[in-house]
Amino acid sequence: QVQLQQWGAGLLKPSETLSLTCAVSGGSFSGYYWTWIRQFPGKGLEWIGDINHSGSTDYNPSLKSRVTISVDTSTNQFSLKMTSVTAADTAVYYCACPRGGANWFDPWGQGTLVTVSS
Amino acid sequence: DIQMTQSPSSVSASVGDRVTITCRASQYISTWLAWYQQEPGKAPKLLIYAASSLQSGVPSRFSGSGSGTEFTLTISSLQPEDFATYYCQQANSFPFTFGPGTKVDVK
Repeated sequence: QVQLQQWGAGLLKPSETLSLTCAVSGGSFSGYYWTWIRQFPGKGLEWIGDINHSGSTDYNPSLKSRVTISVDTSTNQFSLKMTSVTAADTAVYYCACPRGGANWFDPWGQGTLVTVSS
Repeated sequence: DIQMTQSPSSVSASVGDRVTITCRASQYISTWLAWYQQEPGKAPKLLIYAASSLQSGVPSRFSGSGSGTEFTLTISSLQPEDFATYYCQQANSFPFTFGPGTKVDVK
């Protein structure tokens, strides 16, 4: 079954760019909208956006101006970049796979804690 | 954006208890609703999708119901491994949004 392994820098300074990558294995890469979700320290969850194998994207309007999601079909990986981070972007970032042709998610990556601090 | 609310925010229960969690959407979402369980330090795990369909491998003591704007997750007989936080999520329209969570802890 599909497995997701993610990585990226965990400590950033304000105004820097967050960069995370998620590798997909064990299943088809095409036909899904690969997704990024974050969870704040207070535990709230926020959908960031998604991308399919052709590069078609959807973004949360609240983050659209700062977020870019890209895909590399040669390596079955997708990536998240978020510019101009602030302390409010401190969260655990997850990549996730939508299931059943709908937008509920399973499995999720292991999560990456990103802390923004000067 | 569709706002999701959950009640209660926390519930204290004992092994064997029946636990019910309610999720409400600010707009009609038909049955485009999922429930997740999250244990400390782990990623959320999909339990229920399409409001009432049990994800493969999830014990049958979990069930979901509802449509439109009001939904429930029921654990028929709470087991020790069920003490966790539960989230609902609407999959009806962008941006997909989550409820604030309900923590089930030991009474």
